[in-house]
Amino acid sequence: EAQVTQNPRYLITVTGKKLTVTCSQNMNHEYMSWYRQDPGLGLRQIYYSMNVEVTDKGDVPEGYKVSRKEKRNFPLILESPSPNQTSLYFCASSPFPLAGGGNEQFFGPGTRLTVL
Amino acid sequence: DAKTTQPTSMDCAEGRAANLPCNHSTISGNEYVYWYRQIHSQGPQYIIHGLKNNETNEMASLIITEDRKSSTLILPHATLRDTAVYYCIVPLAGNQFYFGTGTSLTVIP
Repeated sequence: EAQVTQNPRYLITVTGKKLTVTCSQNMNHEYMSWYRQDPGLGLRQIYYSMNVEVTDKGDVPEGYKVSRKEKRNFPLILESPSPNQTSLYFCASSPFPLAGGGNEQFFGPGTRLTVL
Repeated sequence: DAKTTQPTSMDCAEGRAANLPCNHSTISGNEYVYWYRQIHSQGPQYIIHGLKNNETNEMASLIITEDRKSSTLILPHATLRDTAVYYCIVPLAGNQFYFGTGTSLTVIP
């Protein structure tokens, strides 16, 4: 089944404890992206990747890192989480970069992160 | 780079057409308009996209004005399962996606 998977789905952690949220897609998509969703603010893009070893900042990249060492995986890393990073996180992938081609993004189920 | 404005909320009677407007007055000539929806806290779901011409698929129709400054998503026969938040998006700098807060559509029985 074609899908985007995220792990973990739920995580409660403490301030400063490094964590990684994994994202994997099995559709051979080139484009991958991370979003966070907060009440009243909608979905905001954190980072995106056009292809392996190519990553770019979105609207709200501060406090996050990403890597794209292989096409299928795009982990989100919080080196020193803080309470303001408590949020619902979504990973997404698309067959091609979005500009000009008009391609849909496929979204994962979300990861609900709480930082105490 | 174009951002979009949408009404915060709308209601629609079940079985009637739901018409969701979106303003994207700063859109550039080669930028697409995308529509997604999100049910509860699930991952957003792609609905449709377009550049200049009107588009239709099994889920909805997209009407883009001739000057491309606005568009309307049409759900021809709204059902209760269409209750969701609908996002109109124009990618920023080509590959950034700004979702905004969308329109919360409530389909009323």
